[in-house]
Amino acid sequence: DAKTTQPPSMDCAEGRAANLPCNHSTISGNEYVYWYRQIHSQGPQYIIHGLKNNETNEMASLIITEDRKSSTLILPHATLRDTAVYYCIVRPYSSNTGKLIFGQGTTLQVKP
Amino acid sequence: KAGVTQTPRYLIKTRGQQVTLSCSPISGHRSVSWYQQTPGQGLQFLFEYFSETQRNKGNFPGRFSGRQFSNSRSEMNVSTLELGDSALYLCASSLQGENYGYTFGSGTRLTVV
Repeated sequence: DAKTTQPPSMDCAEGRAANLPCNHSTISGNEYVYWYRQIHSQGPQYIIHGLKNNETNEMASLIITEDRKSSTLILPHATLRDTAVYYCIVRPYSSNTGKLIFGQGTTLQVKP
Repeated sequence: KAGVTQTPRYLIKTRGQQVTLSCSPISGHRSVSWYQQTPGQGLQFLFEYFSETQRNKGNFPGRFSGRQFSNSRSEMNVSTLELGDSALYLCASSLQGENYGYTFGSGTRLTVV
């Protein structure tokens, strides 16, 4: 079973920041938070990951609370192409298995 | 560089038949994982192969099997197809199974009639 809880859907206006929350209250000390997204009819795409510090890359920012029980993925300037299902996944950084456990994710609809 | 290639993109089969799907990973990637995606169950892990060996397996019946070749290309087979096997089958590759390094293909859409 997925170890994360996400809202099923969210809307965001184009050009505004999209803030996608994820609850992972049972996260272990050695587990990282990963975000993937899936645009319709494509395979999931890796976005970002982090352990406890905030992370930023060219796609997004990841804010993890101090107690690590929740996190927020931020798309700073959402575009229509960011409309997708966003998945939050927690698991150890180093693992000898390729198994990713996907929950139901959040469907983000970016509107003009 | 070339991404993960899955063939065919679309497939229609009849109940009771068998099907083989193919996945060519990114060059140099040794880990290949397979997932099934349906509207009801979402994305579910099928199995993973690493250096021609199955390293992990999900909770699917024995009708679902796979293999990996020495060039890291992988195939999955589903025998005695059922209507419920209709799904998008996704393949992902990575160097050795690093979480951040998974690259997914666009999938094979299988329809069982």
